Amino acid sequence: GAVVSQHPSWVICKSGTSVKIECRSLDFQATTMFWYRQFPKQSLMLMATSNEGSKATYEQGVEKDKFLINHASLTLSTLTVTSAHPEDSSFYICRPSGGTDTQYFGPGTRLTVL
Amino acid sequence: EDKVVQSPLSLVVHEGDTVTLNCSYEVTNFRSLLWYKQEKKAPTFLFMLTSSGIEKKSGRLSSILDKKELFSILNITATQTGDSAIYLCAVENYNAGNMLTFGGGTRLMVKP
Repeated sequence: GAVVSQHPSWVICKSGTSVKIECRSLDFQATTMFWYRQFPKQSLMLMATSNEGSKATYEQGVEKDKFLINHASLTLSTLTVTSAHPEDSSFYICRPSGGTDTQYFGPGTRLTVL
Repeated sequence: EDKVVQSPLSLVVHEGDTVTLNCSYEVTNFRSLLWYKQEKKAPTFLFMLTSSGIEKKSGRLSSILDKKELFSILNITATQTGDSAIYLCAVENYNAGNMLTFGGGTRLMVKP
């Protein structure tokens, strides 16, 4: 299957700092990137969808100024959680999509904000 | 609005048992149905189903899709403790740019 990487896999930060999460599709070109978050014992929640070179589309209730998404290339997208607070602690997962490669998730980034 | 409902919500079985997980859906422009297994990490892809009546099989896991009745089942035979996980079903909408709509998942626990 397609290879997707995320970095970092785990991050702990202080409240008020910004955290950048990278998602790379290593063996296919991701024209679209989906970003999800998952709180404990809950299902995946789609946060935003981005197309390469375009601005992301955010789901209702997701603050676009807080969760900055950059999708400047076909193999890399970043999600930056700005001024993180403890309630932003979650598991963030990307899913790159391109052509027939749509079904693979990244391994996820577990964010803990103190 | 696309919708996916999974049942049961949770299931406890003993090793060796066979389980059947259900997924029913409503989607405006069906492209595919996907099954994932999630342990304490990101979901792992299991199957993608696009055609009715064709069983997909991988080891002890198999799945089939019924596009007329709008449901799919995931079967696991001879369950093992390592099968304990949340199983997620999702549908892909053809007109939504590969967006997936997820069900709430079935939490399976396999006891020794």
